[in-house]
Amino acid sequence: DVKVTQSSRYLVKRTGEKVFLECVQDMDHENMFWYRQDPGLGLRLIYFSYDVKMKEKGDIPEGYSVSREKKERFSLILESASTNQTSMYLCASSVAPSGQLYWEAFFGQGTRLTVV
Amino acid sequence: AQSVAQPEDQVNVAEGNPLTVKCTYSVSGNPYLFWYVQYPNRGLQFLLKYITGDNLVKGSYGFEAEFNKSQTSFHLKKPSALVSDSALYFCAVRDMVRNFNKFYFGSGTKLNVKP
Repeated sequence: DVKVTQSSRYLVKRTGEKVFLECVQDMDHENMFWYRQDPGLGLRLIYFSYDVKMKEKGDIPEGYSVSREKKERFSLILESASTNQTSMYLCASSVAPSGQLYWEAFFGQGTRLTVV
Repeated sequence: AQSVAQPEDQVNVAEGNPLTVKCTYSVSGNPYLFWYVQYPNRGLQFLLKYITGDNLVKGSYGFEAEFNKSQTSFHLKKPSALVSDSALYFCAVRDMVRNFNKFYFGSGTKLNVKP
């Protein structure tokens, strides 16, 4: 089974702090994603990466950056945390489809971040 | 642009009754559609997908989904609901036209199954 692991289930940080959210996958997937989940808004894509050191902005990248130095690890960075970044953060990974296989994305368990 | 819509924020059903969670899509090109389930404070779990072939797709935990091209819908169904099916359900589409790495998610539907 694909395993996507996020380093923390719950985090509480102070306004202005630099925050790192870590995600590791064990299936050699090329693609990794960071989503933010808020009630009524579904999942919104922050950033994704399609290879080591490669990244693209998603729909809401402002206030965030990412790092992918190794294929299995994708980090989300909040440069200066603000209260409006309080949310559930979800990491996911996927590969390029092959026939009927490998179309879906696999998710980590989520990190609930509270910025106070 | 690719998008999915889930018109119901919440669906209530009695245990043992059939359930339907609705999803409509708007895509350029062929649709590649997915359903995920999320239990409280957890990540999303994959349920099923439609890529091509039969319009009725079977997935995990007894769920199935019906792809309807003319109505641009991909509704999730289960013949007999369980209390343990209570969760948040997301419909998603994969963008295979402009960027196949991107998935677009609906806003989610909360399913409540009452004993």
